[in-house]
Amino acid sequence: QSALTQPASVSGSPGQSITISCTGTSGDVGAYNYVSWYQQHPGKAPKLMIYEVSNRPSGISNRFSGSKSGNTASLTISGLQAEEEADYYCSSYTTSSTLSLLFGTGTKVTVL
Amino acid sequence: EVQLVQSGTEVKKSGESLKISCKGSGYSFSNYWIGWVRQMPGKGLEWMGIIYPDDSHTRYSPSFQGQVTISADKSISTAYLQWSSLKASDTAMYYCARSTYNYAYGHWGQGTLVTVSS
Repeated sequence: QSALTQPASVSGSPGQSITISCTGTSGDVGAYNYVSWYQQHPGKAPKLMIYEVSNRPSGISNRFSGSKSGNTASLTISGLQAEEEADYYCSSYTTSSTLSLLFGTGTKVTVL
Repeated sequence: EVQLVQSGTEVKKSGESLKISCKGSGYSFSNYWIGWVRQMPGKGLEWMGIIYPDDSHTRYSPSFQGQVTISADKSISTAYLQWSSLKASDTAMYYCARSTYNYAYGHWGQGTLVTVSS
């Protein structure tokens, strides 16, 4: 598998909640609790938002939450704000072949 | 403060060689994995490989194995990504990133834009 599967786009109005899915396999997302989520604004480096499925680094708003069920991980943004319009990528540890990390295909979040 | 500072924009021709760098500061460089990530124009993130600077243990994604070389010089807290013969398809932004949690990159360089003309 070359990439985890994410929806290409998700949109929501300010204040709403949105959820982005990240589907892998039993060799990556399903096997390990090493799923991370990154936010990337245009022209900027990615920023870690969630690690180990559901943990937030220091300084990340508690409106960002992560979860996992089977081979699918999810990122939920509650109380959506305009500045959260960005691309979001999941990643997972994998032992498929010699890969150590897989990124998702990326999701463009639009705040309506 | 942890910082990763990458070398500047490169414009090269197909067939040329290139080595870009990523200098870490504000932490013990030797003891954290450094990864390299490619982002082609308008596309997503691709994991290329990682290195542990203390012993230079390296792992590559199969997609990049044999195409690039990752190295590090812990004496100057710098990791490198190099190509022996660039192709136009190597045109991309390249990020270095430091592992902060298990398999999660909490610190990123600013990116190095590599443009290869044919």
